Amino acid sequence: KNEVEQSPQNLTAQEGEFITINCSYSVGISALHWLQQHPGGGIVSLFMLSSGKKKHGRLIATINIQEKHSSLHITASHPRDSAVYICAVTGGAGSYQLTFGKGTKLSVIP
Amino acid sequence: NAGVTQTPKFRVLKTGQSMTLLCAQDMNHEYMYWYRQDPGMGLRLIHYSVGEGTTAKGEVPDGYNVSRLKKQNFLLGLESAAPSQTSVYFCASSALRTVFTEAFFGQGTRLTVV
Repeated sequence: KNEVEQSPQNLTAQEGEFITINCSYSVGISALHWLQQHPGGGIVSLFMLSSGKKKHGRLIATINIQEKHSSLHITASHPRDSAVYICAVTGGAGSYQLTFGKGTKLSVIP
Repeated sequence: NAGVTQTPKFRVLKTGQSMTLLCAQDMNHEYMYWYRQDPGMGLRLIHYSVGEGTTAKGEVPDGYNVSRLKKQNFLLGLESAAPSQTSVYFCASSALRTVFTEAFFGQGTRLTVV
């Protein structure tokens, strides 16, 4: 079973700061997902990537398959970015399971 | 454009009672999933379905049953609720396996068993 570790567990930032959330996993994967969970519970998919880098607005996700590591970056952070960010991995033939990290709680202070 | 809709959003049950959680998706997705989310833990897969009429066990299936009689609906049943089933339950769906595509999640159902 893949072990997914996120760091940090909690992060407080000032508005405008550059933020990095890290995700490491123990076994080779086929794809990695970054998800966002806002207070009130809904979960939204931000990125799915299997190599390289993806960018959407102020969010950037990178993955290094050899090092089994991914990062989620937020540029020019804003209070509305306050949420729990969750990393999840999937892989292997026939695998239907996402294995989730415990999440990183981000609070952006005005 | 509803996406994935879960009902109910909140529920309190007494130990031993039964209930059914309904998940409905309007995206014509083949794959549907039920997860539970507990404090300090990542989401864990309860059951999943790869198409209408099919279901399979996930990581933590004990105490739950599921059915997928229609492609758009995935039901999660608790026959005899226990306090250990107090959790937030999420339904998700995807067009393909999540190796290839993103998953879409519902808003969650907060269940308390007393």
